[in-house]
Amino acid sequence: QKEVEQNSGPLSVPEGAIASLNCTYSDRVSQSFFWYRQYSGKSPELIMSIYSNGDKEDGRFTAQLNKASQYVSLLIRDSQPSDSATYLCADPPNFGNEKLTFGTGTRLTIIP
Amino acid sequence: DAGVTQSPTHLIKTRGQQVTLRCSPKSGHDTVSWYQQALGQGPQFIFQYYEEEERQRGNFPDRFSGHQYPNYSSELNVNALLLGDSALYLCASRRQGEEPQHFGDGTRLSIL
Repeated sequence: QKEVEQNSGPLSVPEGAIASLNCTYSDRVSQSFFWYRQYSGKSPELIMSIYSNGDKEDGRFTAQLNKASQYVSLLIRDSQPSDSATYLCADPPNFGNEKLTFGTGTRLTIIP
Repeated sequence: DAGVTQSPTHLIKTRGQQVTLRCSPKSGHDTVSWYQQALGQGPQFIFQYYEEEERQRGNFPDRFSGHQYPNYSSELNVNALLLGDSALYLCASRRQGEEPQHFGDGTRLSIL
């Protein structure tokens, strides 16, 4: 049974600062991870996917995957009020397992 | 190009009743998954349908059942509703074997 643990927050960060979100996961064979952003009352939206060890940067977002430590993180630089949302990490389907396994989510608030 | 659409958006039921939720996948997608998201939690996988068959099921009782039609649309049925079934029910679709999944905005189910 896959499990994903996420620092549950809530997390408050001043505008312009760096927000750091973290997850650990149980499945050693997991090859990749997804980060979703979910605004209140809306559906999860995929914002980052990372498929190999190391860092992946996309604009203000950087995802880091450390397979040895079974750890994945998301950094948001120059945080904006529009970044205020719940962020969910997810272990994607693989090897015949069809489901996304989500963490509990971290509610992030950017303080103007 | 319409994304994943779900209906209804909100629903109020009482304990013991049954409910049917509907999902139309994104154009070109043939695989539909259903997730339950309780307040403050990450989405939990209920089941997945492909080629009109249930392909994988999460840890949900038999009160939760589903169906997929030849046009790939899907229904989620829940019988003998309990207070604990109150949640946001999310439908996600994808083309079989491809990622990522695309989520609909969900149906908010409240049980009184």
